[in-house]
Amino acid sequence: DSGVTQTPKHLITATGQRVTLRCSPRSGDLSVYWYQQSLDQGLQFLIQYYNGEERAKGNILERFSAQQFPDLHSELNLSSLELGDSALYFCASSVVVGGQAVTEAFFGQGTRLTVV
Amino acid sequence: LAKTTQPISMDSYEGQEVNITCSHNNIATNDYITWYQQFPSQGPRFIIQGYKTKVTNEVASLFIPADRKSSTLSLPRVSLSDTAVYYCLVGAGRRALTFGSGTRLQVQP
Repeated sequence: DSGVTQTPKHLITATGQRVTLRCSPRSGDLSVYWYQQSLDQGLQFLIQYYNGEERAKGNILERFSAQQFPDLHSELNLSSLELGDSALYFCASSVVVGGQAVTEAFFGQGTRLTVV
Repeated sequence: LAKTTQPISMDSYEGQEVNITCSHNNIATNDYITWYQQFPSQGPRFIIQGYKTKVTNEVASLFIPADRKSSTLSLPRVSLSDTAVYYCLVGAGRRALTFGSGTRLQVQP
């Protein structure tokens, strides 16, 4: 158990719909990362938050948005869903001190999104 | 952003030592090298991290030459349960968690 909790574990929805994925980081971790992994693909970095502020943006579509709340949990919102958005969505958390290296990031078990 | 190059796949047998090399020619001075392991449908798991020379922990060793343009992850005496995808990451701070394509290791009995 990594200490990172993602809900729900599975989600099936129709095209055009909107869903919200939730992530609770490890206790004390201020940084949250979101990744998308399509079938047999690598992990695509979407976005990073640090203590409530957006810190880095990757290949995140305009239909997707995220936020980190004062209690440090994060939500990834996916709207106008398309078949191609079907994927595993992972959240990770870490301790990041200034510009130093991330010593270790802890990943949740992911949310498997299926768009039909 | 330092680009990494790893073999797409490797095969080994139980009990052998496996070495996976990652090239990162444009590594920056303050970049660290980190390796993760991922099993199917699971989140990646941290294996080891280093800056230079050699780092060893209970599961692996990481060898980094003086020029830091490559690194080698060494897994001693692999077992079937080591079959997974291994990712080499190079970066620091906010750039530290950019994943490449990874190396798919298949361990045979």
